Amino acid sequence: TAGITQAPTSQILAAGRSMTLRCTQDMRHNAMYWYRQDLGLGLRLIHYSNTAGTTGKGEVPDGYSVSRANTDDFPLTLASAVPSQTSVYFCASSPELGRSTGELFFGEGSRLTVL
Amino acid sequence: DAKTTQPPSMDCAEGRAANLPCNHSTISGNEYVYWYRQIHSQGPQYIIHGLKNNETNEMASLIITEDRKSSTLILPHATLRDTAVYYCIVRVDTGRRALTFGSGTRLQVQP
Repeated sequence: TAGITQAPTSQILAAGRSMTLRCTQDMRHNAMYWYRQDLGLGLRLIHYSNTAGTTGKGEVPDGYSVSRANTDDFPLTLASAVPSQTSVYFCASSPELGRSTGELFFGEGSRLTVL
Repeated sequence: DAKTTQPPSMDCAEGRAANLPCNHSTISGNEYVYWYRQIHSQGPQYIIHGLKNNETNEMASLIITEDRKSSTLILPHATLRDTAVYYCIVRVDTGRRALTFGSGTRLQVQP
């Protein structure tokens, strides 16, 4: 079972360029999330989606956008990257209410460096 | 969601039990205690969760005090592969709400 797949695993990006981090899950989970993790800090929520067609802002949404056209995919876009967006990005998903243990399933992360 | 407090770091000898404490004194009645760990730079991994009763699975045991203001995650026989950052999280179990991660406890298992 693939679970959650993130791509790319690593990327170096020039400041001002745009970038989309891809996230795909094959578990038919309704909810999906994007977190960023900076050195020495915990994970911070960027955006989330409770179900296909809906999205919401997390703790640090500025400079990022997301879309949820279908259940499986939840891409994160940086329209104009800045060096402060250098981070490791984790995508996660969780099952719907009623079938949930509350467990989040995480991908392996995408390491982004903005120069 | 209630705030949690964990020690920043702990050491444990390989083969011994690792007991990781978590304080959540402001927990409310419908909030669950979750434990996750993050090994090196991998994505966080779910370990266990509970409401008021002690819980055990193949990975660990969770002991929650009677007043629910604190809990302890127990790894019964720590191995080098258990070296990781362990996060204690308190959350209402809606199944769709994101988790809020603190800075966790860095557990170093020593050979």
